[in-house]
Amino acid sequence: QVQLVQSGSELKKPGASVKVSCKASGYSFTSYTMNWVRQAPGQGLEWMGWINTNTGNPTYAQGFTGRFVFSLDTSVNTAYLQINSLNAEDTAVYYCARDGVVATYDYWGQGTLVTVSS
Amino acid sequence: QSALTQPRSVSGSPGQSVTISCTGTSSDVGGYNYVSWYQQHPGKAPKLMIYDVSKRPSGVPDRFSGSKSGNTASLAISGLQAEDEADYYCCSYAGIYSFFGTGTKVTVL
Repeated sequence: QVQLVQSGSELKKPGASVKVSCKASGYSFTSYTMNWVRQAPGQGLEWMGWINTNTGNPTYAQGFTGRFVFSLDTSVNTAYLQINSLNAEDTAVYYCARDGVVATYDYWGQGTLVTVSS
Repeated sequence: QSALTQPRSVSGSPGQSVTISCTGTSSDVGGYNYVSWYQQHPGKAPKLMIYDVSKRPSGVPDRFSGSKSGNTASLAISGLQAEDEADYYCCSYAGIYSFFGTGTKVTVL
């Protein structure tokens, strides 16, 4: 069965970096794009962008350029989200989600809580 | 562009029907038949309920239905049940980008 398993919660200091992983199983990893979604505490879902799992080419939503980096390791069917120069506003749950068709997020990871605090 | 507009909350008694609207623009909701809806219970990951405006993934009850008119999409829940109490988000394709709605809390009275 299709599964997306994300890495565990992270506590980071302002200015640090964090790398969240999303390991896919149960399907052909390179046949579907991988998307990232942010949810700040008590807030709604924000689409961050996606990565082409064939080419590795990322596309970032407005507001997620510069400090955010999507990457892949297709040898282990894993997508990564790195956030640099963390600040308190980055505190959120980050989800990876497979796009099944077009903007159809049919499978989601369990979410990774990133907390930024001094 | 920014988030699609949804009502903050809707409510209904068990067995009743509720409808959630999702208003965008001609560049997203109105321009493509790629609107999806997600249900999210507290502390859980979102779950796909509707895609391509009105299609239901297998396993989603037919009490859930989707539609679209112009720049506004809608999710209808009929025969409301206690387990339907959750947050619901719409999402629309907008040409290489996607946008989520602001979210609607459905309360079962």
